[in-house]
Amino acid sequence: NAGVTQTPKFQVLKTGQSMTLQCAQDMNHEYMSWYRQDPGMGLRLIHYSVGAGITDQGEVPNGYNVSRSTTEDFPLRLLSAAPSQTSVYFCASTRQSSYNSPLHFGNGTRLTVT
Amino acid sequence: AQSVTQLDSQVPVFEEAPVELRCNYSSSVSVYLFWYVQYPNQGLQLLLKYLSGSTLVKSINGFEAEFNKSQTSFHLRKPSVHISDTAEYFCAVSQPGTASKLTFGTGTRLQVTL
Repeated sequence: NAGVTQTPKFQVLKTGQSMTLQCAQDMNHEYMSWYRQDPGMGLRLIHYSVGAGITDQGEVPNGYNVSRSTTEDFPLRLLSAAPSQTSVYFCASTRQSSYNSPLHFGNGTRLTVT
Repeated sequence: AQSVTQLDSQVPVFEEAPVELRCNYSSSVSVYLFWYVQYPNQGLQLLLKYLSGSTLVKSINGFEAEFNKSQTSFHLRKPSVHISDTAEYFCAVSQPGTASKLTFGTGTRLQVTL
């Protein structure tokens, strides 16, 4: 019972490099989302998806791209990493807008941009 | 727009003592309210939620929270804490119909010591 799986767990990038944070869920959840967690700021929504082929911006989308080609996967792309993107990134999923189904979180990816 | 305020960034408490973690929210429409817990190096887990009905909601591990509409609060309480309750606690709010799109507070670090 894997739930939400994020890879890698840790990553160090140099400014300007690109990379993709992977997120996969095996619960057939329609809704998936990405948050970043920064000290003193809680979690902030980056992008979300209500189903395959549908994505939308959250509170802090700049510098990030997403796509949703399958129900299971929701990768987050950093096109040109900046030190301000140093953070812990969490992927979360749930059934489509169902308030009876809580968000299920992955264990996070800790990203450092130097 | 909605927002969540957790005034206490850290709450130290002795084991078996009571604790209250404060949460206030702001919203121009009706809301759903949540408490999530994050143990070290893990993702967030739902602790309890208020959707409608009884204003007092309880978790399976002894926490409870009361929705107070007049004071726009959703404080989390436990009458007797255990060492294992040491974690970061996040209050979150969403709107009916967009229950998956949570706005989080900045978190409160609960540190339980002997």
